[in-house]
Amino acid sequence: SAVISQKPSRDICQRGTSLTIQCQVDSQVTMMFWYRQQPGQSLTLIATANQGSEATYESGFVIDKFPISRPNLTFSTLTVSNMSPEDSSIYLCSVVAGIVYNEQFFGPGTRLTVL
Amino acid sequence: ELKVEQNPLFLSMQEGKNYTIYCNYSTTSDRLYWYRQDPGKSLESLFVLLSNGAVKQEGRLMASLDTKARLSTLHITAAVHDLSATYFCAVESGGYQKVTFGTGTKLQVIP
Repeated sequence: SAVISQKPSRDICQRGTSLTIQCQVDSQVTMMFWYRQQPGQSLTLIATANQGSEATYESGFVIDKFPISRPNLTFSTLTVSNMSPEDSSIYLCSVVAGIVYNEQFFGPGTRLTVL
Repeated sequence: ELKVEQNPLFLSMQEGKNYTIYCNYSTTSDRLYWYRQDPGKSLESLFVLLSNGAVKQEGRLMASLDTKARLSTLHITAAVHDLSATYFCAVESGGYQKVTFGTGTKLQVIP
C-alpha cells in the first residue's frame, strides 16, 4: 500500500487569492492524480501528474487555474488560483501502488472553503 | 468517454436487511474499485476487482464483477448501523491508471 499525506488539511480563503496544496507519498510512484469533490458530489479527476513532464488536464480544467508541479517521484503540488466560492471543494491526491497488483490509494484530502 | 452509473443514489434500510448496490459502466474496464467514504473523510478502499467473475467478500459486504455485462454489484448482508456511509464504485480503463467514479450511493442504516 501507499501512505499519502496532504497539507493543509483544510483552509478558508478569500476570493481572488490562491492556495497551494501539497501531497507527499511514502514511496516512489510514477503517476499522481488530483481529484476534486464538490459538496455532495462524486469525485472528478482534475489532472494526472508525471514526474519530469507537464501535467495532463481533463476536460474542463486548465493549467492557468490549477497549476501542478511534480518535482520528484514522491511529491506533488496543486495550486487553486484566483479562487471563487465555486472552488470550495475537497481536493484529493491519489497514487497507484501495490506489490501483488496495482491499486489506487487516496490521500486524506484538503477541504477548501472560499468566501 | 467512460460513464459510470450507480443506483440507487440513496438507500435507507433497516438493520438486519439485505440490499444490493449496482454499478454500470459504458466501456471495457481494466479493474473496478469499491470505496467507502464517511462524512468529511477521505476514501477507504473496500475491494479491487480485476477480472470477469471476480467475487470478493469482507464482513457483511460482497462485491462481484461481470465484465461482459459491464456491471458490478456490492451486496450488503444483514446491515448494521456502522455501514452507514457513501459508497462509490470507480472504473479504471484505457491503461492509463486513472479512474472514473460513479455517482455514489448514500447508505443510511436505521437501527
